[in-house]
Amino acid sequence: KQEVTQIPAALSVPEGENLVLNCSFTDSAIYNLQWFRQDPGKGLTSLLLIQSSQREQTSGRLNASLDKSSGRSTLYIAASQPGDSATYLCAVNPAGGGADGLTFGKGTHLIIQP
Amino acid sequence: DGGITQSPKYLFRKEGQNVTLSCEQNLNHDAMYWYRQDPGQGLRLIYYSQIVNDFQKGDIAEGYSVSREKKESFPLTVTSAQKNPTAFYLCASRSTRRGYTFGSGTRLTVV
Repeated sequence: KQEVTQIPAALSVPEGENLVLNCSFTDSAIYNLQWFRQDPGKGLTSLLLIQSSQREQTSGRLNASLDKSSGRSTLYIAASQPGDSATYLCAVNPAGGGADGLTFGKGTHLIIQP
Repeated sequence: DGGITQSPKYLFRKEGQNVTLSCEQNLNHDAMYWYRQDPGQGLRLIYYSQIVNDFQKGDIAEGYSVSREKKESFPLTVTSAQKNPTAFYLCASRSTRRGYTFGSGTRLTVV
């Protein structure tokens, strides 16, 4: 059964720093991988979607990479801002069409200090 | 703008009572999903539906039921058989190109 692990569980950094969030998964047979952001008491906001054939995706200050063979993905946040404070969730979509639901990690709780 | 609407935002359930959480989407997506989120745990899949009039159990379906009579709607009923229903419930739909889109959630509390 697919398992997703996110490290670190919590991270606090000063504003302006570049940072990396890590995600690992046990089964490399994935359809795609999706990064989400969750603010307290809110739903999930999609940040980046990486298909299994892709190595990375970029959106603004965010860059996500995927190394399927080693079961790893990273989310890079450049020039962090206090508004980036949130919980970041990594989720993998299993191979076979990707319609059977995501498997989530427990998230990284990020605090950006002003 | 297209999206997913969940209602109500907050819901209180008495012991032994069934309650229904609403999920509506106008994204024209075929597949819809219900997840449960508890503090300190990842999201867990309750039920999903890939097409109208068809649905499958997820990892924690016991004590829950769903229906999919319309493409736009996927309501979740939390029955009295669910012994620990207090949680945050999230509905999602899926696009092949854009991945999963989530609603804003319903927080259910047993009183």
